[in-house]
Amino acid sequence: ETGVTQTPRHLVMGMTNKKSLKCEQHLGHNAMYWYKQSAKKPLELMFVYSLEERVENNSVPSRFSPECPNSSHLFLHLHTLQPEDSALYLCASSQDSGGSSYEQYFGPGTRLTVT
Amino acid sequence: QQQVKQSPQSLIVQKGGISIINCAYENTAFDYFPWYQQFPGKGPALLIAIRPDVSEKKEGRFTISFNKSAKQFSLHIMDSQPGDSATYFCAASLTSGGYQKVTFGTGTKLQVIP
Repeated sequence: ETGVTQTPRHLVMGMTNKKSLKCEQHLGHNAMYWYKQSAKKPLELMFVYSLEERVENNSVPSRFSPECPNSSHLFLHLHTLQPEDSALYLCASSQDSGGSSYEQYFGPGTRLTVT
Repeated sequence: QQQVKQSPQSLIVQKGGISIINCAYENTAFDYFPWYQQFPGKGPALLIAIRPDVSEKKEGRFTISFNKSAKQFSLHIMDSQPGDSATYFCAASLTSGGYQKVTFGTGTKLQVIP
């Protein structure tokens, strides 16, 4: 596997379900990101982990709970979601060090539908 | 102040023509301006990027023009090809605490017709 992988690629869940999205990066990067992509809206940054520590939480509802057990893996735990949470959820990673920015590499996303 | 405004929302260009997408930003603290290309079913991928101390950057058929005083930047795709049909996002980022905080535009869906 190369790059950034995400599973599952598609997920349909009811409003009372609990599910998790998984992201794995094979690039040796030290920062990982969750984004939400909705139609006709900019990508919305949800969470950032740098060196496995959460450094950004962009006012995301508590029904979304991230977890970063190590620098290669990132999870997004979902519970009691709303239909408006239906979107494409993208994971990205980057190598950030010494104040220099590098490009973010995105996974293919998980298409989430909340019924 | 964190917004990045992108236009047009969609664009149809004849094969061989020039595609132009424009973006504007407000926060002068942004220090990196990437463009991402996204095909259906894929995540965005970096296409080309520029830093604010440079007015133009060219990579093959893709050129970024950057106007720091106007706080605007644009992507030009020369000799557009059907394979360029995708959604393009401009973005602006700033380095914060060892990671990038990226603000994206709303995207432009480009269709290149033969």
